[in-house]
Amino acid sequence: DVKVTQSSRYLVKRTGEKVFLECVQDMDHENMFWYRQDPGLGLRLIYFSYDVKMKEKGDIPEGYSVSREKKERFSLILESASTNQTSMYLCASSLGSLNTEAFFGQGTRLTVV
Amino acid sequence: GIQVEQSPPDLILQEGANSTLRCNFSDSVNNLQWFHQNPWGQLINLFYIPSGTKQNGRLSATTVATERYSLLYISSSQTTDSGVYFCAVEPDTDKLIFGTGTRLQVFP
Repeated sequence: DVKVTQSSRYLVKRTGEKVFLECVQDMDHENMFWYRQDPGLGLRLIYFSYDVKMKEKGDIPEGYSVSREKKERFSLILESASTNQTSMYLCASSLGSLNTEAFFGQGTRLTVV
Repeated sequence: GIQVEQSPPDLILQEGANSTLRCNFSDSVNNLQWFHQNPWGQLINLFYIPSGTKQNGRLSATTVATERYSLLYISSSQTTDSGVYFCAVEPDTDKLIFGTGTRLQVFP
């Protein structure tokens, strides 16, 4: 079974802090994604990566950056956390263009105070 | 961009009832997935179904790509089926676009 693991289930950070959300997958998937989920807005794509060191902006990249130094790990970085970044963050991975079925981690509920 | 609409937005059922959830999308897609989000927020894969029909136990799904819709059938519903059901489509380059979801509540 595919396993996508996010480093934290719940996280509380202060405004202005630099925040790292980590995601690891164990199935040698090419593609990895970061989404955020907010009530009434559904799931929105922040960034995705289709290879090591490769990244593309999603629909709402402002205020975020990402890092993919190794194939299995995709990090989401909030350079200076703000209260409007309080949200549920979901990481996903998929094999690649031959099979794009996506698998999700358990989610990280981030609160910025 | 592509629009993905799900209906109904909310559904309340008694245990044992059957239901049909619908997903309409506004443009052609390469693939479509159905997910169940449990009360803890985890998205569980239900079906990866760009076209045709698949069944898994009490659940089945049908995608008619030429008419741009997909249906998820839940038979003999159980309280553990409660949660939010999402369809997500892949219009291009491996990215998933999510629908707004159907919130299902099943009561004993």
